[in-house]
Amino acid sequence: QKEVEQNSGPLSVPEGAIASLNCTYSDRGSQSFFWYRQYSGKSPELIMFIYSNGDKEDGRFTAQLNKASQYVSLLIRDSQPSDSATYLCAVKRDRGSTLGRLYFGRGTQLTVWP
Amino acid sequence: IAGITQAPTSQILAAGRRMTLRCTQDMRHNAMYWYRQDLGLGLRLIHYSNTAGTTGKGEVPDGYSVSRANTDDFPLTLASAVPSQTSVYFCASSEIQGSNSPLHFGNGTRLTVT
Repeated sequence: QKEVEQNSGPLSVPEGAIASLNCTYSDRGSQSFFWYRQYSGKSPELIMFIYSNGDKEDGRFTAQLNKASQYVSLLIRDSQPSDSATYLCAVKRDRGSTLGRLYFGRGTQLTVWP
Repeated sequence: IAGITQAPTSQILAAGRRMTLRCTQDMRHNAMYWYRQDLGLGLRLIHYSNTAGTTGKGEVPDGYSVSRANTDDFPLTLASAVPSQTSVYFCASSEIQGSNSPLHFGNGTRLTVT
């Protein structure tokens, strides 16, 4: 089982809709969770991080974490065509021999159509 | 502007040749990483370094070597390039301590081995 699993998509939503991106992870020792956005031909850029159960909101973005279910999600409200990108879920371990290492999912490709 | 600089931006390399990808950061981060990104496979960790003078193997280290002589530089060397090493290579850095310390990525090096 891969460390971090994401639906590869593509996910296609109309402009103004809510886009929901999901991610599961296998290691219960994981402590920190990150969402990166990557435009085609560019490097990943950090959107949000979360490390406590519940929701964390930042503008149109909401990250949700459920450690019991080993599940983290990203909601994008009022989706815009400029949100079209690949979204990478990443999980970080903060203990043991793999201290500080980030494990990435394969990414979900999102298309927002006008 | 603080950040990570990678060089070259792109390179076409004949199989069997030696190549060093350069990476320099000016954020004084302890940890540095090399990832490769291939379509359908996502970001995979090649090598990492938690602090100057130490390095470790990631998921796909074979055919690559790294060194960390100082905090700022983390070069990646392909001793004898093979076509399967055609990929986009990203260097990244972070602070290890702190659950919310994300990765910062360079702009990437697109390598084609012919």
